[in-house]
Amino acid sequence: QKEVEQDPGPLSVPEGAIVSLNCTYSNSAFQYFMWYRQYSRKGPELLMYTYSSGNKEDGRFTAQVDKSSKYISLFIRDSQPSDSATYLCAMKGQLTGGGNKLTFGTGTQLKVEL
Amino acid sequence: EAGVTQFPSHSVIEKGQTVTLRCDPISGHDNLYWYRRVMGKEIKFLLHFVKESKQDESGMPNNRFLAERTGGTYSTLKVQPAELEDSGVYFCASSQDWGTDTQYFGPGTRLTVL
Repeated sequence: QKEVEQDPGPLSVPEGAIVSLNCTYSNSAFQYFMWYRQYSRKGPELLMYTYSSGNKEDGRFTAQVDKSSKYISLFIRDSQPSDSATYLCAMKGQLTGGGNKLTFGTGTQLKVEL
Repeated sequence: EAGVTQFPSHSVIEKGQTVTLRCDPISGHDNLYWYRRVMGKEIKFLLHFVKESKQDESGMPNNRFLAERTGGTYSTLKVQPAELEDSGVYFCASSQDWGTDTQYFGPGTRLTVL
């Protein structure tokens, strides 16, 4: 069983829609949660970074972490065609003894249509 | 400020040959990471350097892979001899500090072993 599960999609939405992307995980040691965006033939680019449970908002993006359910989400409001990309969730554990390596989901491919 | 750069962008080699991938981190970043994405799978951690020292090499698949970071600047990842299952995209990332600091990814090297 994978440590991080993420629906690969593809997910197709109309421009202006609210997009919800999700990951579940099994390792309760994960404390830091990230969302990366990756355009085709490019490297992952950090979008959101949260520690432990709670919400974080940045412009049109909101990240939610529910550690009790081992579930994280990324919401994109007023989606734009430029948001079309693969969205990767990533997480890591406590720094002491856990190193700094990221564990990724497989990524969800999103297409925002005009 | 220049981002993480990787060379080459693509490499096509025959099974049994040797390939060396190079990563130049962001200037001043002591932490350097190698990750790999095999087709259809998630991005997986390979190893982590702090300056020239290997902090964590738990993700290295076998002894055909050798990573170096002489002088604590750029890093190389050598695969010798290459096998078909080594095909994938190899990403390098760097971060300034240990811990909560963001990992910035390069564009990746796409390796195809025929």
